Amino acid sequence: SQQGEEDPQALSIQEGENATMNCSYKTSINNLQWYRQNSGRGLVHLILIRSNEREKHSGRLRVTLDTSKKSSSLLITASRAADTASYFCATWFSSGSARQLTFGSGTQLTVLP
Amino acid sequence: ETGVTQTPRHLVMGMTNKKSLKCEQHLGHNAMYWYKQSAKKPLELMFVYSLEERVENNSVPSRFSPECPNSSHLFLHLHTLQPEDSALYLCASSRDRGSSGANVLTFGAGSRLTVL
Repeated sequence: SQQGEEDPQALSIQEGENATMNCSYKTSINNLQWYRQNSGRGLVHLILIRSNEREKHSGRLRVTLDTSKKSSSLLITASRAADTASYFCATWFSSGSARQLTFGSGTQLTVLP
Repeated sequence: ETGVTQTPRHLVMGMTNKKSLKCEQHLGHNAMYWYKQSAKKPLELMFVYSLEERVENNSVPSRFSPECPNSSHLFLHLHTLQPEDSALYLCASSRDRGSSGANVLTFGAGSRLTVL
């Protein structure tokens, strides 16, 4: 089963508003990553937060991590129409000797002009 | 331009055709990946190559055959596909396969495959 799960599945907001997306995961992690995907394109890495960090900022992005609750949130402040995309959290998942970066189903964000 | 280039961007093929997807990275990375992205489903990891050696094959049907001739190039050979194989196929690369803090994936733009 997938390691990460985003919530909500879809989010629609007006330009200028803040958008918050949440991610829950199942096993212990070294770090958690957030990616963005424009429709029909590849994923782009946004930000990585390590397990010993609680909050991290990058421009208009703010990521929090609560390892006790196995959850993370991505906040986009002052959203723009260009922020319309799908957002995925990802964690490294190990099973025996196998190791892979697993992604959740994503949150589809629509920012209305 | 991410440094990972996938061709073709779009491919339509019949169930009896043989085609290949190509991925090339110019980042000096040592690991390369094929992911499948179907509608309404999470990304599925198909294959992982590290230093040109296949290290993982996530129970992918044999009609998908990967090839990694060198650390910069990755192919996905397609043969006798089914309509349910229609999806966006994403190639990615990373510095290595470790789960260290600096190891993030760089994706190509994807190859949209339609199987008729």
